[in-house]
Amino acid sequence: NAGVTQTPKFRVLKTGQSMTLLCAQDMNHEYMYWYRQDPGMGLRLIHYSVGEGTTAKGEVPDGYNVSRLKKQNFLLGLESAAPSQTSVYFCASGNSDRGENEKLFFGSGTQLSVL
Amino acid sequence: AQSVTQLGSHVSVSEGALVLLRCNYSSSVPPYLFWYVQYPNQGLQLLLKYTSAATLVKGINGFEAEFKKSETSFHLTKPSAHMSDAAEYFCAVSGGPGGSQGNLIFGKGTKLSVKP
Repeated sequence: NAGVTQTPKFRVLKTGQSMTLLCAQDMNHEYMYWYRQDPGMGLRLIHYSVGEGTTAKGEVPDGYNVSRLKKQNFLLGLESAAPSQTSVYFCASGNSDRGENEKLFFGSGTQLSVL
Repeated sequence: AQSVTQLGSHVSVSEGALVLLRCNYSSSVPPYLFWYVQYPNQGLQLLLKYTSAATLVKGINGFEAEFKKSETSFHLTKPSAHMSDAAEYFCAVSGGPGGSQGNLIFGKGTKLSVKP
């Protein structure tokens, strides 16, 4: 049972380049999330999905797009990377929309540097 | 709107000493509260969560947290620190953007160092 797998683990981009981060979960979770983690800022929600074919904006969505074509995959895209998007990106999946039963499972992160 | 404040970005304790990491929350509805731990170069793992069943919540690795409504606090404690506890700890409250209770709002984190 792999849990939540993120690829790639590291990436260096030049300003203006595009890329896609892939998140895959094998726990049949309905809910998936993309967070970014910056020093002293904690984790901030970029986009999330409450099911296959659905996406919604989180706290810091600008400059990112997402897709959830298959239940097990949640893709995060950067169309034109900017240095401000240098960060560590975490994907997470969860098994409930009710906080009482909520437990997020996190991937190990993708470290992205934009030069 | 919900929010979380963690007091102290860095906490250092000696091995065997009490660990106390502070978290205060703001919520317009009864909150669900969580503590997550992040070891170097890893994702976050759930330590414990409060869901209104009991005010004192026990988690993994000997950690526990007490929900105090009057103080809007959910501080994390461990009686005796171990070297392996060195990590970053995040407090979180449910009810983030979009209204989904599954979305979590995280505090900025507290890095715990444990001295031999």
